[in-house]
Amino acid sequence: DQQVKQNSPSLSVQEGRISILNCDYTNSMFDYFLWYKKYPAEGPTFLISISSIKDKNEDGRFTVFLNKSAKHLSLHIVPSQPGDSAVYFCAASDGGTSYGKLTFGQGTILTVHP
Amino acid sequence: GAGVSQSPSNKVTEKGKDVELRCDPISGHTALYWYRQSLGQGLEFLIYFQGNSAPDKSGLPSDRFSAERTGGSVSTLTIQRTQQEDSAVYLCASSLAGQGQETQYFGPGTRLLVL
Repeated sequence: DQQVKQNSPSLSVQEGRISILNCDYTNSMFDYFLWYKKYPAEGPTFLISISSIKDKNEDGRFTVFLNKSAKHLSLHIVPSQPGDSAVYFCAASDGGTSYGKLTFGQGTILTVHP
Repeated sequence: GAGVSQSPSNKVTEKGKDVELRCDPISGHTALYWYRQSLGQGLEFLIYFQGNSAPDKSGLPSDRFSAERTGGSVSTLTIQRTQQEDSAVYLCASSLAGQGQETQYFGPGTRLLVL
């Protein structure tokens, strides 16, 4: 049972345009959501997060939107840069547990073309 | 400061052999997590350590998998009698106190191939 889903395996975007990565979840107990970026042969790097009490969080070029009623979140990257090319993982934390055990999606490969 | 380190970076083994994977968390981090990423899949939680508390082993896929954390720092994940389906990237992460809504910092992973 995949509780966090990223339905787009890949996304290709032109440099300077917006990249939108999507993520859906099924577990209503999730109360904290994160995006990680992963380059080949490296571990995932934390990018941005959002608590379920908010619907938007912005950090520079990166903005995460949360729609609790639809159990959907998205990551917007504006403007996209070639260095943003990586695998992006959506992750969620269950507020019913006492610690930050993360459930991950399958990842979306973002390619930004110069 | 130094991040999370893992060794070896790559491991090739024969089916049926035992393997040990090592993780050095960020100094001062009391929480340590193991995840694995199989080909084409997301990261899958394996086990969690926090201080001297009993670990949460709920993600371990079989009794061939075990992990320990000595002295509240270094952790070793052991896979006994390896199978081909154990082939994956094994990732270790640490966080400051193991609280919810806390950033986990990942190591580069160990790529395990079981022939």
